Amino acid sequence: AQSVTQPDIHITVSEGASLELRCNYSYGATPYLFWYVQSPGQGLQLLLKYFSGDTLVQGIKGFEAEFKRSQSSFNLRKPSVHWSDAAEYFCAVGSSGGSYIPTFGRGTSLIVHP
Amino acid sequence: GAVVSQHPSRVICKSGTSVKIECRSLDFQATTMFWYRQFPKKSLMLMATSNEGSKATYEQGVEKDKFLINHASLTLSTLTVTSAHPEDSSFYICSARETGRYTEAFFGQGTRLTVV
Repeated sequence: AQSVTQPDIHITVSEGASLELRCNYSYGATPYLFWYVQSPGQGLQLLLKYFSGDTLVQGIKGFEAEFKRSQSSFNLRKPSVHWSDAAEYFCAVGSSGGSYIPTFGRGTSLIVHP
Repeated sequence: GAVVSQHPSRVICKSGTSVKIECRSLDFQATTMFWYRQFPKKSLMLMATSNEGSKATYEQGVEKDKFLINHASLTLSTLTVTSAHPEDSSFYICSARETGRYTEAFFGQGTRLTVV
């Protein structure tokens, strides 16, 4: 069964600082990997996704993530955080077969200090 | 881009009544839709997978008679919480997968259900 671990419940950074949110997955085959962001009381917005090819994926809002098969990781990064980035971030893994049903990590809450 | 609309965004109902939540794909056809429940400070828990024209597939531990799902058209799925109780209060989110595309699903904005 597929699973996702986001080891950090909360991350606090200062505005302008760099950010890295960790995500480790467990899946037997090549996974589909996603990062979503959720603002309070809102649904999920897709930041970026990895299916195949280049392991460094660029997303919206200046985010990027790197797929490292050897480490079973898909960490999300941003070089300079803005106050508006404060939100809940979810990593998800989907099966590479035809069914695709994503499994979500528990989320990491990003707090941005001015 | 693909838009999924969920309605209502917030609903308060009395204990014992039923509440219906709608999930619509606005600009694409969705053979499959997913219903999630999210507890405070928790991840999304998949409740069921809804397929157009057929019965929904419920995850283990989810009461089928409690959470009725209907997916009668390619653009609309509904979740009805029957005989709601305070413990059903939660944030419910739907997502929809475009017909023929299996690699991504688009999410609605969620519905905050409060049962008093």
